Amino acid sequence: GENVEQHPSTLSVQEGDSAVIKCTYSDSASNYFPWYKQELGKRPQLIIDIRSNVGEKKDQRIAVTLNKTAKHFSLHITETQPEDSAVYFCAARVTGGGNKLTFGTGTQLKVEL
Amino acid sequence: DGGITQSPKYLFRKEGQNVTLSCEQNLNHDAMYWYRQDPGQGLRLIYYSQIVNDFQKGDIAEGYSVSREKKESFPLTVTSAQKNPTAFYLCASSQGAYSNQPQHFGDGTRLSIL
Repeated sequence: GENVEQHPSTLSVQEGDSAVIKCTYSDSASNYFPWYKQELGKRPQLIIDIRSNVGEKKDQRIAVTLNKTAKHFSLHITETQPEDSAVYFCAARVTGGGNKLTFGTGTQLKVEL
Repeated sequence: DGGITQSPKYLFRKEGQNVTLSCEQNLNHDAMYWYRQDPGQGLRLIYYSQIVNDFQKGDIAEGYSVSREKKESFPLTVTSAQKNPTAFYLCASSQGAYSNQPQHFGDGTRLSIL
């Protein structure tokens, strides 16, 4: 089955700096890659997603890039703010997998003032 | 994501007891999912259902059971066979079971052992 690895497990940045979280996946048939943000004790919320026919997608301060050849995708947050502090999860869906997602283990992002 | 309701928010289980976690959605979504979240391990899929009266095991189905008698409801039972049930349980749903539609989550149920 699909395996998703996520790095780093913790990331601390200064307010205004950029943050990058990287994920790799194992199944070349994966075709959909969402990113979720989860604040402490709350539900994961979808912040951006990308499909395999696109190499990059941007939404204001958030962008995701996908390299299908290398089987990795990354989340980029620019001009970080304290409210960006949360746990971020990447996930991958395999074609024909019934929309099942395999999640990474999460990155705890802390934006310091 | 106000359309997915999980209850209760907190639940306590005694030894040898089965407990049922509720998940209801009013989004008219076809597919529903149950995940377990443990610290440092991300979300792991327990069961999922793509259509009413049908469901499949996920990666960690042992000790759990589900039913899907109605489109809007997907309850999860944690049986006494699940020896380490303490976790945060998340229900999700998506429109169109076979397409790349985003999954949206409920607020979760935190289950603990008494």
